[in-house]
Amino acid sequence: EDQVTQSPEALRLQEGESSSLNCSYTVSGLRGLFWYRQDPGKGPEFLFTLYSAGEEKEKERLKATLTKKESFLHITAPKPEDSATYLCAVQGWNSGGSNYKLTFGKGTLLTVNP
Amino acid sequence: DAGVIQSPRHEVTEMGQEVTLRCKPISGHNSLFWYRQTMMRGLELLIYFNNNVPIDDSGMPEDRFSAKMPNASFSTLKIQPSEPRDSAVYFCASSRTDKGETQYFGPGTRLLVL
Repeated sequence: EDQVTQSPEALRLQEGESSSLNCSYTVSGLRGLFWYRQDPGKGPEFLFTLYSAGEEKEKERLKATLTKKESFLHITAPKPEDSATYLCAVQGWNSGGSNYKLTFGKGTLLTVNP
Repeated sequence: DAGVIQSPRHEVTEMGQEVTLRCKPISGHNSLFWYRQTMMRGLELLIYFNNNVPIDDSGMPEDRFSAKMPNASFSTLKIQPSEPRDSAVYFCASSRTDKGETQYFGPGTRLLVL
């Protein structure tokens, strides 16, 4: 069974204070690792998909990286508007025949204070 | 382009009543997913449709839950009878294929069963 663990559960930063969020996973053959952002009262918003170890993707102040066991979401010089819950999900190849299935972690609640 | 549309956004009902949640996927997407999100369990997949056909309903909690997709642009999730433990946020998501294209989420329906 695919598993995703995110840490820390909550992170409080000062504006401009860079940090990283962690997503550790176990999956029977990684098809893709997904990062989503979720604001209060809204649905998850897609950020990145990573497919293989060593891959990196960037968007504004966010950079996602991937190894064979974990992914990091690096936040450089964050701003208050980056405050949200960040969700990680994995999709395995033919996980019991369900290669469409996303297994989500419980997320990291990021708060950036001005 | 319009994203995934869900209605109602909020629903308050009494135990034993029937609840129907509605979803309109993104035009052109042929996969549709219903998820439930709670603090304790995070995001869980309830049911997955591909080309309007239910493929995997293993996440549906029990017989009180049912889902239909009569056409490519509409799906319903019904709970009958509802119970307080069904209180959660229900999300609909859609994607372009059943081979792992990115899932895009709707804004969710916040359900409270009293």
